[in-house]
Amino acid sequence: DTGVSQDPRHKITKRGQNVTFRCDPISEHNRLYWYRQTLGQGPEFLTYFQNEAQLEKSRLLSDRFSAERPKGSFSTLEIQRTEQGDSAMYLCASSLVGKGSQYFGPGTRLTVT
Amino acid sequence: GQQVMQIPQYQHVQEGEDFTTYCNSSTTLSNIQWYKQRPGGHPVFLIQLVKSGEVKKQKRLTFQFGEAKKNSSLHITATQTTDVGTYFCAGRRGNKLVFGAGTILRVKS
Repeated sequence: DTGVSQDPRHKITKRGQNVTFRCDPISEHNRLYWYRQTLGQGPEFLTYFQNEAQLEKSRLLSDRFSAERPKGSFSTLEIQRTEQGDSAMYLCASSLVGKGSQYFGPGTRLTVT
Repeated sequence: GQQVMQIPQYQHVQEGEDFTTYCNSSTTLSNIQWYKQRPGGHPVFLIQLVKSGEVKKQKRLTFQFGEAKKNSSLHITATQTTDVGTYFCAGRRGNKLVFGAGTILRVKS
């Protein structure tokens, strides 16, 4: 399968714990995006990378969130000191520069208890 | 900031009936994209519209981009049970997409 993959698919954690999610984009795609989606809403932009450079971060993203794409391939999203409000589906998408379409992964569903 | 609104929030139709969802932006869009998300699935790209007044068709789906590039619509002719899901429009703001809240389509067979 050459689509976008995400790991884990589900994560249950206790409030205050740190969690890290991984995204592997389509191999030739140079742009990678992270979104958060809650029930009844569309995906909400968090941040994006072009190759290894993080080019934009949402102003809504608290400093407990950090993302990396060290070699311009896979990316990780870390949430420190999780809160119940962080419970959501975290989606990763990738695209090619100059192409509008984004290809989404299956998401990681985070539940903070 | 840019907001993208979609109506209706939810529509339940009889199989064979038509369906339309509308998308409105508070600002002019450089382009608009449409995605479909099946229940339990992830968003899947359907189409991108770039030009003012553009109309594109994909089988039973017709997409329109308004003349002012601030609104768009998706029309499905003769819905089928396979059309079930949530349809999102997304406006491009710089290099990121701003998604609407989506329209949930349910089809009764």
